[in-house]
Amino acid sequence: GENVEQHPSTLSVQEGDSAVIKCTYSDSASNYFPWYKQELGKRPQLIIDIRSNVGEKKDQRIAVTLNKTAKHFSLHITETQPEDSAVYFCAARDDGGYNKLIFGAGTRLAVHP
Amino acid sequence: NAGVTQTPKFQVLKTGQSMTLQCAQDMNHEYMSWYRQDPGMGLRLIHYSVGAGITDQGEVPNGYNVSRSTTEDFPLRLLSAAPSQTSVYFCASNSGAGGELFFGEGSRLTVL
Repeated sequence: GENVEQHPSTLSVQEGDSAVIKCTYSDSASNYFPWYKQELGKRPQLIIDIRSNVGEKKDQRIAVTLNKTAKHFSLHITETQPEDSAVYFCAARDDGGYNKLIFGAGTRLAVHP
Repeated sequence: NAGVTQTPKFQVLKTGQSMTLQCAQDMNHEYMSWYRQDPGMGLRLIHYSVGAGITDQGEVPNGYNVSRSTTEDFPLRLLSAAPSQTSVYFCASNSGAGGELFFGEGSRLTVL
């Protein structure tokens, strides 16, 4: 089955810096890669996703890149703000399968003013 | 439109007790799933369902049962709770392959 590895487990940046979180997956059939943000005590919420027919996707300060050959994808946050502090999860799913969305272990991002 | 509703939000059990975590969604989503969240281990899939009457095992199914008699409801049953099942449980639903996963608020379970 699918296995998703996520690095780093913790990331500390200064406000205004960029943050990058990387994930690798094992199942070459996976074709949907979402990123979720979880604030303390809250539920995870989708912030951006990408499909295998696209190499990069941007939404304001957030971007995701995908390298299907290497089976890795990354989240990039530019001009970080204190409200970006949260735990971020990557995930992978084979949409042709049975809807099993498998998550990475998470990255705790701290943005210091 | 409440989205995904989970109850209870908090529960303390003794080892060996049984309980059911309730999950309901009002978005007419076909797909529903249960995850557990433990520190440093992310969200791990317990069981999932692709429609009423259809369920399947995820990554960590042992010790849990599920059923899906209606589109709206997807309860998670612990038949004999163990301390290793202390966790935060999230129910989620999505409209189909490629659909965004919507999570409930979570249920914090402690097994003594």
